[in-house]
Amino acid sequence: EVHLVESGGDLVQPGGSLRLSCAASGYGFSNYAVIWVRQAPGKGLEWISYISSGGLNKLYAESVKGRFTLSRDNAKNSLYLQMNSLTAADTAIYYCVSSDDYGRYDSWGQGALVTVSS
Amino acid sequence: EIVMTQTPLSLPVTPGEPASISCRSSQSLVDSDDGSTYLDWYLQKPGQSPQLLIYALSYRASGVPDRFSGSGSGTDFTLKIARVEAEDIGVYYCMQRVEFPITFGQGTRLEIK
Repeated sequence: EVHLVESGGDLVQPGGSLRLSCAASGYGFSNYAVIWVRQAPGKGLEWISYISSGGLNKLYAESVKGRFTLSRDNAKNSLYLQMNSLTAADTAIYYCVSSDDYGRYDSWGQGALVTVSS
Repeated sequence: EIVMTQTPLSLPVTPGEPASISCRSSQSLVDSDDGSTYLDWYLQKPGQSPQLLIYALSYRASGVPDRFSGSGSGTDFTLKIARVEAEDIGVYYCMQRVEFPITFGQGTRLEIK
């Protein structure tokens, strides 16, 4: 099973940028697709991005398309979510979630809190 | 995008009693390539990350007690808890992954009476 730890969450001003990292440990991380899911304070879950196991295929929710960029470095067992032009609506806990051999998204990190405020 | 609608949004339950959560999708979640139904259920306990309970409609994830079961077909799905225990409190989400964007239901908060 893959174990994930997010980092990089912080307080950032509107219009600013932030990069979240997701470090993976455990067997086979490079074989699995990963998604990012966020949760605004007191709200539900929102899928925002997907990256294939090799990193070639990427998808984004309309709410972040053109502002967020997802990448991965399988040699370092890491993923990176570059977030630009942040607004208050991006304030949330951001989770990275790995799939497994069956395509299930069953390994969740503990989350990274991003707060966008002046 | 596929819209997921859960009912009820709040569910007070007496320990030992059964509970049921409904999830409806705006279109079929059956994959045309392999025939699988890509509907999953997650539980987010207070202060924790979501955890997978049920995947592909009716398969329990590793370590999930057998009092949890998933059923349904096409666009209507149900999560059942045979006998609710205190540790089951939290917010339950259905999620479809048959196509992108992946979408979630609004969540159902289960609380103990």
